[in-house]
Amino acid sequence: AQSVTQLDSQVPVFEEAPVELRCNYSSSVSVYLFWYVQYPNQGLQLLLKYLSGSTLVKGINGFEAEFNKSQTSFHLRKPSVHISDTAEYFCAGREGFQKLVFGTGTRLLVSP
Amino acid sequence: GAVVSQHPSWVICKSGTSVKIECRSLDFQATTMFWYRQFPKQSLMLMATSNEGSKATYEQGVEKDKFLINHASLTLSTLTVTSAHPEDSSFYICSAADGQSTDTQYFGPGTRLTVL
Repeated sequence: AQSVTQLDSQVPVFEEAPVELRCNYSSSVSVYLFWYVQYPNQGLQLLLKYLSGSTLVKGINGFEAEFNKSQTSFHLRKPSVHISDTAEYFCAGREGFQKLVFGTGTRLLVSP
Repeated sequence: GAVVSQHPSWVICKSGTSVKIECRSLDFQATTMFWYRQFPKQSLMLMATSNEGSKATYEQGVEKDKFLINHASLTLSTLTVTSAHPEDSSFYICSAADGQSTDTQYFGPGTRLTVL
């Protein structure tokens, strides 16, 4: 079974600084990985996804993630964050045809 | 973009009563809908998957007689928590897909259930 681990429950960062949110997965089958963002009182929005091909995936709002098979990681990065990036970020993997398995989430706190 | 709504956004009920939560796809037809449960500081856990017009497929450990799911149309799915107890208090989130794959899955804002 697929499992997804987000080691950091909270990441504080100053505005305009770079940020990396970590995600590790375990799976013995084909890997399909996703990053979602959840703003307060809103549903989860898809930031980006890796299905196959280039290991560097670019998403919305300036975020990108790199699939690293040898390290079983799919870390999310942004070179310069904004206050508006403050939110909860979830890494997820697909298990089988339809099921998504989520990590516990990382709260990104951007301060001025 | 595709929008999924949930109603109510929060509900408080007495132990032993039943609560119904609605999930609607507002601008697309959702052939598949998913129901998740989220405890504080924990992952979203998939409870069940439903395809329009078919019985829901429940994940292991989820009581199908307690959590009744109905997906009667391509825009509406309901989750009914029957004979609710305090341990059922949680955040319930639905999502909808417009195809057979979860590559395109749109999430609702969630419903906070508190059982007294």
